[in-house]
Amino acid sequence: DTGVSQDPRHKITKRGQNVTFRCDPISEHNRLYWYRQTLGQGPEFLTYFQNEAQLEKSRLLSDRFSAERPKGSFSTLEIQRTEQGDSAMYLCASSPPGSGAETQYFGPGTRLLVL
Amino acid sequence: QQQVKQSPQSLIVQKGGISIINCAYENTAFDYFPWYQQFPGKGPALLIAIRPDVSEKKEGRFTISFNKSAKQFSLHIMDSQPGDSATYFCAASINSGYALNFGKGTSLLVTP
Repeated sequence: DTGVSQDPRHKITKRGQNVTFRCDPISEHNRLYWYRQTLGQGPEFLTYFQNEAQLEKSRLLSDRFSAERPKGSFSTLEIQRTEQGDSAMYLCASSPPGSGAETQYFGPGTRLLVL
Repeated sequence: QQQVKQSPQSLIVQKGGISIINCAYENTAFDYFPWYQQFPGKGPALLIAIRPDVSEKKEGRFTISFNKSAKQFSLHIMDSQPGDSATYFCAASINSGYALNFGKGTSLLVTP
């Protein structure tokens, strides 16, 4: 499968714990996006990378959230001191060089449940 | 705030019928309007998209109608099939940007 992959697919954690998610984009896609999707809602943009540079962060990305893409390939999203309100599906998407909002290919997501 | 408003929240259509989902937006800078389809446990997948220089785009059984003056666009699914049962999201973006602004989604059920 050459699509966007995310790991883990599911994560259950206790409030206050830290969690980290990984996203592997489609090969040669230099643009990578993170979105959050809560139950009954559409995805909400969190942050965007072009290669290793984080070019934009949404106001939704609080100080407890940090995203990295150290070598311009895979990306990680870490949530520190998780809260019950962090429970959501975290989606990663990637797009090829030269593209903008179009041609974003989404991964299957990581579903987080904070108890 | 929600930049793209989508309706209805849920829709039940008989097999062979037409499914219609509507979206409205306020930001006139938006210039790219995609529709995504999402099955349970999967990420959204691009279905069809339109830019404001055309009023309609058709791909197979899926058609987008776009009304620039009303700032509205809609998805029509002709000859709806049970396999079309999924959640559909409209979105909008400024193409020079990168963030997709999604509606809240419409859960479509096509009955046999």
